[in-house]
Amino acid sequence: EPEVTQTPSHQVTQMGQEVILRCVPISNHLYFYWYRQILGQKVEFLVSFYNNEISEKSEIFDDQFSVERPDGSNFTLKIRSTKLEDSAMYFCASSVSGGSEAFFGQGTRLTVV
Amino acid sequence: GESVGLHLPTLSVQEGDNSIINCAYSNSASDYFIWYKQESGKGPQFIIDIRSNMDKRQGQRVTVLLNKTVKHLSLQIAATQPGDSAVYFCAENGPGSARQLTFGSGTQLTVLP
Repeated sequence: EPEVTQTPSHQVTQMGQEVILRCVPISNHLYFYWYRQILGQKVEFLVSFYNNEISEKSEIFDDQFSVERPDGSNFTLKIRSTKLEDSAMYFCASSVSGGSEAFFGQGTRLTVV
Repeated sequence: GESVGLHLPTLSVQEGDNSIINCAYSNSASDYFIWYKQESGKGPQFIIDIRSNMDKRQGQRVTVLLNKTVKHLSLQIAATQPGDSAVYFCAENGPGSARQLTFGSGTQLTVLP
């Protein structure tokens, strides 16, 4: 069964450092997303990406965040200068169309120290 | 602001009993709803979805009911099994777009032996 894969599963970084979280969406999906979940809280939307550009972003997705699809398979989330409050699980998701079910990866646990 | 919320944070049921997990939503413009299951340390796993032109949808052991009049969504799990123990989130598309999902706070379902 096709699945969304994310690497690494856990990333520890020092405050102020840049991190790149990587995702391989399901191959025939056209819409890609990043969500985050702070420990014990609800899953929050960050950004959606379609046709090689951001289609929507939330207030959380400020200038410190960026996304990229560097090739035909990877989809990355970059945090330029991490803050303590960026510590969370980051989930990548993909869907065939914008209004269809999104399949989530297993997540990357980001710990900023 | 408009949000998706859950009535109960925790639910315990006996193995073999039926479970009902409830969700209230307030965005009347939402037309697509999904139930996700999240096990500890894993990403949200799609269970079942329903569009606003339907009142009920059945899957394997699960049924989703949508009451648009009172903006209420429920997930029924038949013959609950230990493997059903997880946090269950309802999610709705929006605000503003079909491409992003707004998640509720989650209900922790515990299946007792």
